[in-house]
Amino acid sequence: GIQVEQSPPDLILQEGANSTLRCNFSDSVNNLQWFHQNPWGQLINLFYIPSGTKQNGRLSATTVATERYSLLYISSSQTTDSGVYFCAVYRSGAQKLVFGQGTRLTINP
Amino acid sequence: EPEVTQTPSHQVTQMGQEVILRCVPISNHLYFYWYRQILGQKVEFLVSFYNNEISEKSEIFDDQFSVERPDGSNFTLKIRSTKLEDSAMYFCASRSSIGGGWADTQYFGPGTRLTVL
Repeated sequence: GIQVEQSPPDLILQEGANSTLRCNFSDSVNNLQWFHQNPWGQLINLFYIPSGTKQNGRLSATTVATERYSLLYISSSQTTDSGVYFCAVYRSGAQKLVFGQGTRLTINP
Repeated sequence: EPEVTQTPSHQVTQMGQEVILRCVPISNHLYFYWYRQILGQKVEFLVSFYNNEISEKSEIFDDQFSVERPDGSNFTLKIRSTKLEDSAMYFCASRSSIGGGWADTQYFGPGTRLTVL
């Protein structure tokens, strides 16, 4: 099955810093989603981005489908950005989202 | 904005007991899913459901698990005889899939934390 790898596994930054999270996947995909898991365990949809670039406030994401990776950018980090960020993909015909292991982001004040 | 809801938020049960986790997907969605996340691990797919039947299931989804859409709004996951290793966060998700593109987005509920003692 398709493999999803995220890096780095852990990232600790000071408030105000910028960060880049990476997601590599092993095969072509029809859907790629980025999630933020907050301290209460909820999975918050950030982006649906099987290809191209999208921006939402301080967050943006880019997926280069031909090279099988996606990047999530967080600018001017705030303590509320802390949590685990997951990338998840699925292929055409497959029903299930396959998740990466996540990147744990800690933003210190 | 429409959202997926789940009840209860937290359930504690004794090993061997049956539990039913409930979900109300977004109303015009056609595809329904259950995922689980053992503490500190990644989210894993359990089962997908479309047109009143299971469309795909993982190896985790063995005979002790079942899903049902008893009416037009609810979607349930039943675990017949819980084991200690069933302790996890269980997420329900739904997607529309009419028109492609954004309709392929899966929307997740807030989860039910199941603790088996």
